[in-house]
Amino acid sequence: AQSVSQHNHHVILSEAASLELGCNYSYGGTVNLFWYVQYPGQHLQLLLKYFSGDPLVKGIKGFEAEFIKSKFSFNLRKPSVQWSDTAEYFCAVHGTGTASKLTFGTGTRLQVTL
Amino acid sequence: EPEVTQTPSHQVTQMGQEVILRCVPISNHLYFYWYRQILGQKVEFLVSFYNNEISEKSEIFDDQFSVERPDGSNFTLKIRSTKLEDSAMYFCAGARGNPQETQYFGPGTRLLVL
Repeated sequence: AQSVSQHNHHVILSEAASLELGCNYSYGGTVNLFWYVQYPGQHLQLLLKYFSGDPLVKGIKGFEAEFIKSKFSFNLRKPSVQWSDTAEYFCAVHGTGTASKLTFGTGTRLQVTL
Repeated sequence: EPEVTQTPSHQVTQMGQEVILRCVPISNHLYFYWYRQILGQKVEFLVSFYNNEISEKSEIFDDQFSVERPDGSNFTLKIRSTKLEDSAMYFCAGARGNPQETQYFGPGTRLLVL
């Protein structure tokens, strides 16, 4: 069965600090990887995704993530966070076979202070 | 930009009552999903739906749950006899093409069972 681990449950950063949120997955085959963001009171929105090709993927709002197959990791990064990045961030995975469901991590709550 | 919509945004019901949660997916989407998130827990897959039938369902999706797309636009989740533990945020999602494409989420329905 596939699973996703997000080790940082709550992260507090000052504006302009760099961000890295960890995500590790467990799956016995080829995977597609996603980061979703949920701003306060809003729905889940796609930040970025990895299907194949360049393991460093760039998403919206200056976010990027690197797929490291040997480490089963897909960490999210941003060089300089803004107050508006305060949100909950979810890593998710699904296999490339017939199983189309997304498996989510527990989420990381990011709080950016001024 | 088209969005997935869900109604109602909030619903309060008594234990044992039936509830129907509604979703209007993006018009060119073909794959549909329901997920739920119990407060403080991760987003969990419930069911996927394609070509007017269930593609996959989780252990959570027992006989009390059903889904249908009666008119080609609305996608509904019915809980026949609600339990306290059904209290959660329910998210609808859709994907355009094959099951591996990005899933776009609605804003969710917060269900509270008393």
